[in-house]
Amino acid sequence: EVQLVESGGGLVQPGGSLRLSCAASGFTFSSYEMNWVRQAPGKGLEWVSYISSSGSTIYYADSVKGRFTISRDNAKNSLYLQMNSLRAEDTAVYYCARDGPTSGGLDYWGQGTLVTVSS
Amino acid sequence: DIQMTQSPSSLSASVGDRVTITCRASQSISSYLNWYQQKPGKAPKLLIYAASSLQSGVPSRFSGSGSGTDFTLTISSLQPEDFATYYCQQSYSRPIFGPGTKVDIK
Repeated sequence: EVQLVESGGGLVQPGGSLRLSCAASGFTFSSYEMNWVRQAPGKGLEWVSYISSSGSTIYYADSVKGRFTISRDNAKNSLYLQMNSLRAEDTAVYYCARDGPTSGGLDYWGQGTLVTVSS
Repeated sequence: DIQMTQSPSSLSASVGDRVTITCRASQSISSYLNWYQQKPGKAPKLLIYAASSLQSGVPSRFSGSGSGTDFTLTISSLQPEDFATYYCQQSYSRPIFGPGTKVDIK
């Protein structure tokens, strides 16, 4: 069974940093592209970042470029999101999501981890 | 950047109704369009990928159509478990989601 489990969320002050993790199981993690998607309270879905299966190709949304860094450790079946210079508008539930094998759709999602940026 | 719009933003329907949700892209995205269902407090679930392909395990009452800039998600006979928010997402370029359509009980 495919599972994605996020961790690392919490309360952080504006300007602070946080590192999210996503532990993957039930599939060959090193073969799949991965993403982070977030959802602010009561709002819609916003794609944050993408990383290719090898980690050689990375993309970011303009809203986080220069502040967030996506990475992965295929030996540990883990995906990460390092978030620096956090702002109130980064408050959201952060999901890791797997790219489907054929389509571009995100076929498996974690349960999400809440990041709250507030003083 | 490609912009995605959805209509309506919300709708009220009854069990058994046929429901159609529309998604429009600001430029052609071929068939690189996916649909998700999200229930409160839960992660989104992929329903339809590549505009019209049903994701494994998704009931056949869900269907998708369209190409280019205009797409639709249809629920042929609304069931109680279908009350949720639905999002389209383009995968032609960096992923962009539509604003969502909330389907609630009439």
